[in-house]
Amino acid sequence: KQEVTQIPAALSVPEGENLVLNCSFTDSAIYNLQWFRQDPGKGLTSLLLIQSSQREQTSGRLNASLDKSSGRSTLYIAASQPGDSATYLCAVVGGATNKLIFGTGTLLAVQP
Amino acid sequence: DVKVTQSSRYLVKRTGEKVFLECVQDMDHENMFWYRQDPGLGLRLIYFSYDVKMKEKGDIPEGYSVSREKKERFSLILESASTNQTSMYLCASSMTSGAPGTQYFGPGTRLTVL
Repeated sequence: KQEVTQIPAALSVPEGENLVLNCSFTDSAIYNLQWFRQDPGKGLTSLLLIQSSQREQTSGRLNASLDKSSGRSTLYIAASQPGDSATYLCAVVGGATNKLIFGTGTLLAVQP
Repeated sequence: DVKVTQSSRYLVKRTGEKVFLECVQDMDHENMFWYRQDPGLGLRLIYFSYDVKMKEKGDIPEGYSVSREKKERFSLILESASTNQTSMYLCASSMTSGAPGTQYFGPGTRLTVL
C-alpha cells in the first residue's frame, strides 16, 4: 500500500530565505506527483505536477524535482515571502487510476 | 480557468439528518472526487466517479453514498449524519488523459454534526 510522508511537519523561516520541502513515497510505481498549496480553511491549489517520466518542473519561484527510484520529491521555494505561508501537500497517483494519495503536509510560516 | 464550486462553505447539521453536499465543475471533466480532511489524518478519498452514473468506492466509503446524474455535478450524501462525520469535505475534478492529470479542488465545505 502506497504511503506518502512529508518532513518536516512544520517549518518557520525568515523572509528571503530559500527553502526545501520534502516528500517521500513507498511505492515507486507512480504515474505522477503533484504539489498543492492550502491556505487555512480553504481548498487546495495545484502548484506543480510532475509526470513519472520527468525529473523536474518549474513555475516562477517554485521548482519541484522527482526521483522515482528513491521515492522522493522536493519542492524548492526561492526567496520566500510572507505570502508563501500555507500548508504544502504532495500527492501521488499510482496504478491505472486517477486516485491521489496525499501526504499530511508541511505547514510553512515565513516571518516578515 | 477551471472552476470547481461547492454548495456550502459551512454547514451545521444534527445527528441522524440526511445531508447533501453538492459539487459542480465547469470544465467538462470526466473524473470527480470527494475527499475528507481531518487534522493528523490528511486527505482521504471517500468516493470517485469516472463518468455519469458511474461511481467507485475510495478508502473510506462507509456512511456515505454519491450520485452523478450529470457530468458536471457530483453529490455526496450522508444518509444519517453522525458526529464522527464532522470534517472538511473537498471535491475535485480532473480530465481523463493518457496519464492522470491535474486535479482541481473546490473551496471545501466545513461540516459540523451536533
